[in-house]
Amino acid sequence: GAVVSQHPSRVICKSGTSVKIECRSLDFQATTMFWYRQFPKQSLMLMATSNEGSKATYEQGVEKDKFLINHASLTLSTLTVTSAHPEDSSFYICSAVDFQAMYGYTFGSGTRLTVV
Amino acid sequence: GENVEQHPSTLSVQEGDSAVIKCTYSDSASNYFPWYKQELGKRPQLIIDIRSNVGEKKDQRIAVTLNKTAKHFSLHITETQPEDSAVYFCAASPRGNTGKLIFGQGTTLQVKP
Repeated sequence: GAVVSQHPSRVICKSGTSVKIECRSLDFQATTMFWYRQFPKQSLMLMATSNEGSKATYEQGVEKDKFLINHASLTLSTLTVTSAHPEDSSFYICSAVDFQAMYGYTFGSGTRLTVV
Repeated sequence: GENVEQHPSTLSVQEGDSAVIKCTYSDSASNYFPWYKQELGKRPQLIIDIRSNVGEKKDQRIAVTLNKTAKHFSLHITETQPEDSAVYFCAASPRGNTGKLIFGQGTTLQVKP
């Protein structure tokens, strides 16, 4: 089945620095990927839709200049958290859709970001 | 945009009993409704899904029903087991086949042995 790889699984960074998270579709081409954020004991909140070769579409309330998304190839999307603050500490998880498989949603394994 | 409401937030049942989790959605054009099980610190796992052209779907102990008129769908787990204990999320895919999912708030299910 479709596999999505996400790295790193855990990262700790200092306030003010930037962190890049990678999401790769391993065995299918993903023209569209999605980035979610999940705070402890809360639901997954869609942050943005990553479109290969074009600008990402951000959900209302998500700062596009803070959460930079790049989808330069059909198998890789990256999320960069810029000037990270402790309130950005969260579980970030990507997903990709294999449209050839009809609603083949696949989630990455997630990244636990801790900003100290 | 689409809004998904999920109830209850917590549910405790005795092993062997049934569990029901309910969700409502706002966008009548939503056409895909998956249910996910998530264990602490892990990715959501799809357990069952239903499309808008179907009213009910069953997979062993798990079933999902969809009422398009009322815009609600439900997850039914029969003969619950302790390993069913987890957080369950419903989701809806809004119009346009964009592929994005809007999630409900989640239900923490505890199955007592």
